[in-house]
Amino acid sequence: GEDVEQSLFLSVREGDSSVINCTYTDSSSTYLYWYKQEPGAGLQLLTYIFSNMDMKQDQRLTVLLNKKDKHLSLRIADTQTGDSAIYFCAVGTGRRALTFGSGTRLQVQP
Amino acid sequence: KAGVTQTPRYLIKTRGQQVTLSCSPISGHRSVSWYQQTPGQGLQFLFEYFSETQRNKGNFPGRFSGRQFSNSRSEMNVSTLELGDSALYLCASSTSLAETQYFGPGTRLLVL
Repeated sequence: GEDVEQSLFLSVREGDSSVINCTYTDSSSTYLYWYKQEPGAGLQLLTYIFSNMDMKQDQRLTVLLNKKDKHLSLRIADTQTGDSAIYFCAVGTGRRALTFGSGTRLQVQP
Repeated sequence: KAGVTQTPRYLIKTRGQQVTLSCSPISGHRSVSWYQQTPGQGLQFLFEYFSETQRNKGNFPGRFSGRQFSNSRSEMNVSTLELGDSALYLCASSTSLAETQYFGPGTRLLVL
């Protein structure tokens, strides 16, 4: 089945850029998502990208997709302490995030 | 507009019991999906309902079931609970099967 991999932990200083990476195995994945989960909360959809796009920018967030390498990244510019959370990469063949990565815990140090 | 609501937020059960979790979607949303989140397995898709019909199903045993009512509210049921069913159960809703989902805060189930 589909497999989605992420690194487990990332630590950055406030004001720096954060880059969270994700790799997936199913080349037929058409929608690729980034979700944020804060402690005790559900998932918050941050952004998503269609497989026919290379890049999507939304305010401080930039998503890059390399279809050839099946690699997805999320860049957060000017990272703030409020960005500390777990970030999940997820993929699906429709508008359904059916397979999730294990999540990357982002720690932002003041 | 109110978000997805899930009740109860926390639940403690013992092995062998059954449990029913409830999800109220965002007003106007007709599709409801359920996910299980555990430290060991991560986030896994359980099933999805639209117009009271199950449209998609993940790889879970038959002890896990769900239903959707005419007002789009959904319930999931887990029978004969096992310790490994301890998890955060997340519900997500969308306007249709083709639209993006929005998640609720989850129900945290502890099986003793």
